[in-house]
Amino acid sequence: DTAVSQTPKYLVTQMGNDKSIKCEQNLGHDTMYWYKQDSKKFLKIMFSYNNKELIINETVPNRFSPKSPDKAHLNLHINSLELGDSAVYFCASSGDSAPNYGYTFGSGTRLTVV
Amino acid sequence: KQEVTQIPAALSVPEGENLVLNCSFTDSAIYNLQWFRQDPGKGLTSLLLIQSSQREQTSGRLNASLDKSSGRSTLYIAASQPGDSATYLCASAQFNAGNMLTFGGGTRLMVKP
Repeated sequence: DTAVSQTPKYLVTQMGNDKSIKCEQNLGHDTMYWYKQDSKKFLKIMFSYNNKELIINETVPNRFSPKSPDKAHLNLHINSLELGDSAVYFCASSGDSAPNYGYTFGSGTRLTVV
Repeated sequence: KQEVTQIPAALSVPEGENLVLNCSFTDSAIYNLQWFRQDPGKGLTSLLLIQSSQREQTSGRLNASLDKSSGRSTLYIAASQPGDSATYLCASAQFNAGNMLTFGGGTRLMVKP
């Protein structure tokens, strides 16, 4: 069983479109995240979310919004896609108490905006 | 604001060598320090996590150390193998930012047979 699964794995879309990436974890973790890996392979946090709090990285445009229907899911919605949004997006989860502080990452969604 | 730097950016070694990857961070108020491995086109695999109260962690041929006072962590790989070829990333979690991670730029390791 995949611990953190993302769909789709690849997404090609035109500028101006709205798209969503889904993420599910079956680890019972309390917190989920979205990270963006740019063309230079640099990873940067976008959001952190648990049932108590959403923390948003201040550099993330408000066209990006996380949506969590329940503890095991954190989807990423992107409105009015721009060329610069092309990147690999990783979902991850972690536990809030020892020994489960460590992260588990999904395999990534490669988004290409044309 | 935390900044994490990894040196070297790329490293090529012959099989069997012991090697050290370096990670430095500017803010010592960390919750933990984690090392990950990323294979091309793949996600991240967690290798080792060092809590702020710990000095080192070991897993098989891997040993990671943490020195908060100097803002440094090292990942030691013993008897390197071609299968170790990947990008290695270190990341710190800060007390004032939940468990969100700040990543270094990674070290791309190539182990030649």
